[in-house]
Amino acid sequence: EAGVVQSPRYKIIEKKQPVAFWCNPISGHNTLYWYRQNLGQGPELLIRYENEEAVDDSQLPKDRFSAERLKGVDSTLKIQPAELGDSAVYLCASSLVRTVNTGELFFGEGSRLTVL
Amino acid sequence: GENVEQHPSTLSVQEGDSAVIKCTYSDSASNYFPWYKQELGKRPQLIIDIRSNVGEKKDQRIAVTLNKTAKHFSLHITETQPEDSAVYFCAAWEEPGGYQKVTFGTGTKLQVIP
Repeated sequence: EAGVVQSPRYKIIEKKQPVAFWCNPISGHNTLYWYRQNLGQGPELLIRYENEEAVDDSQLPKDRFSAERLKGVDSTLKIQPAELGDSAVYLCASSLVRTVNTGELFFGEGSRLTVL
Repeated sequence: GENVEQHPSTLSVQEGDSAVIKCTYSDSASNYFPWYKQELGKRPQLIIDIRSNVGEKKDQRIAVTLNKTAKHFSLHITETQPEDSAVYFCAAWEEPGGYQKVTFGTGTKLQVIP
């Protein structure tokens, strides 16, 4: 079974440029998460989807970040315009919704963003 | 919301020794506590987890303990090996309103010295 797939793996852009990340979760996983991980830190939640509904976007900087999950499967995370402080690894994860017996998050390889 | 604190931030042990990483959480509604291992440049991967109705769980050289009253849980690695070197993250999982919410600790960089 394929895991969570993210692209691109690496992206280098200049500040003020836009960037987009794509995530394909594990088939059948209704819950999708976008996390930001700074160097030496734990993942910090940006947004969580249940199917196509964003149920928690309280930590998403909405002035420059946006996300969508059309049809409740793939998701994209966009930053426009990017700032130097946005340099980080953007991790996508998925899980089975309301799976009390497992509760496991499956992470993608991440998209490493460098803003110059 | 939930707040998870993790200590220490770095830990160096000699090969064969034990390593212990501790986490505390703030929300008594959290009911599931996974531990993730992240090797350099790789994705976090689940290594062990524990539910709030269990006090201890063991899987070979790895064990996790949970004290619900004190709101803390710990990861224990015995007979450490160089391949255990990685960053370890604890997390607390709750289901407010039926949705899942996971809060991660800040991570512990474990170095096992051969």
